[in-house]
Amino acid sequence: AQSVTQLDSQVPVFEEAPVELRCNYSSSVSVYLFWYVQYPNQGLQLLLKYLSGSTLVKGINGFEAEFNKSQTSFHLRKPSVHISDTAEYFCAVSLNAGGTSYGKLTFGQGTILTVHP
Amino acid sequence: EAQVTQNPRYLITVTGKKLTVTCSQNMNHEYMSWYRQDPGLGLRQIYYSMNVEVTDKGDVPEGYKVSRKEKRNFPLILESPSPNQTSLYFCATRGTVGSYEQYFGPGTRLTVT
Repeated sequence: AQSVTQLDSQVPVFEEAPVELRCNYSSSVSVYLFWYVQYPNQGLQLLLKYLSGSTLVKGINGFEAEFNKSQTSFHLRKPSVHISDTAEYFCAVSLNAGGTSYGKLTFGQGTILTVHP
Repeated sequence: EAQVTQNPRYLITVTGKKLTVTCSQNMNHEYMSWYRQDPGLGLRQIYYSMNVEVTDKGDVPEGYKVSRKEKRNFPLILESPSPNQTSLYFCATRGTVGSYEQYFGPGTRLTVT
């Protein structure tokens, strides 16, 4: 079975500072990796995804993430954050497999990013 | 516009009173699922459906039922709700194999007293 660990439950930063949200996963088979964002009182929105190819993926709102297979990590980064980036961020994996594994997302515990002025 | 809708968005109920949360999608997706979100636990899958009349348990199915009689609808049923089912619930859909993005509904916040 796969699992996802987000290493920080809360990350406070000041506006215009860089930020990194850490995510590690474990799986016996290859996976697809995702980052979702949840703004206060809203649903989940896909930020970016890694399926294959280049290990550096770019998403919406200036976010990017790097897939590191040897360290089984998929950390999310942004070089300069804004107040509007305040939200909860979820890392998720989906098995690269069919059958009953198809479609299931396994989520991390979430990281609350708070951007202070 | 591609959409996943859930109703109701907010619900307060009492222990033991049966309730249904509806989920509907307009993308003709085969795969649909339900998740619950709890603080510090992220989202956990309750049930999923690969297609009409094909459903199966996820990681936390106890106390829930589902049905899939039509492709577009996937209701979540709580026959006898208990306070530990107080949570935020999300319906999600995914297209055919080769389509990796999942679309989430806006969520239903359920409180069971």
